Amino acid sequence: EPEVTQTPSHQVTQMGQEVILRCVPISNHLYFYWYRQILGQKVEFLVSFYNNEISEKSEIFDDQFSVERPDGSNFTLKIRSTKLEDSAMYFCASSGASGTINTGELFFGEGSRLTVL
Amino acid sequence: AQTVTQSQPEMSVQEAETVTLSCTYDTSESNYYLFWYKQPPSRQMILVIRQEAYKQQNATENRFSVNFQKAAKSFSLKISDSQLGDTAMYFCAFMSPRRNSGNTPLVFGKGTRLSVIA
Repeated sequence: EPEVTQTPSHQVTQMGQEVILRCVPISNHLYFYWYRQILGQKVEFLVSFYNNEISEKSEIFDDQFSVERPDGSNFTLKIRSTKLEDSAMYFCASSGASGTINTGELFFGEGSRLTVL
Repeated sequence: AQTVTQSQPEMSVQEAETVTLSCTYDTSESNYYLFWYKQPPSRQMILVIRQEAYKQQNATENRFSVNFQKAAKSFSLKISDSQLGDTAMYFCAFMSPRRNSGNTPLVFGKGTRLSVIA
């Protein structure tokens, strides 16, 4: 069964360093998302991406964050200069297979745990 | 803005018993979707069950069913005949459909950690 895959599963970085989290969404999906979950808190929306551009972003998604779909398969989240408070689990998700009814269901990856020291 | 509230941070249930997880939400939308996602330890979130707000009939998926009370803005999940594999974090989530540009982002509750005890 197709699934969303994320790499790395865990990354430790120093404050101020750049981090790139990678995702391979399900191949025929059209909408892509990043969510994050700080330990013990709720899952929060960061950004959605459709038709090669950001369709919506939250207040969390400031200038330090960017997303790209560089080659038609990968979907990346870059944090330019990490802060301690960026430590969280980052989930990629995709939805909306072309030609199907919109059910609203998102398919999530297993997450990338980011630890900023 | 939409909010989703799960008032039970943790619950436990004996194997084969029934458990109900609570969820309430707040919205001014009339058409929306509600979801329960399951997140087993160290695994990705997967959809358990989905309810469309315009449907009065409660959704059912095998041992999982919901009690959707639109007027009360309540969306509880009932798990019957609980199994050890049901041990997971359960998230209630809300989304509104948009006509031409996908849907609004999923808004999650804080989750309920369910432990099924042998």
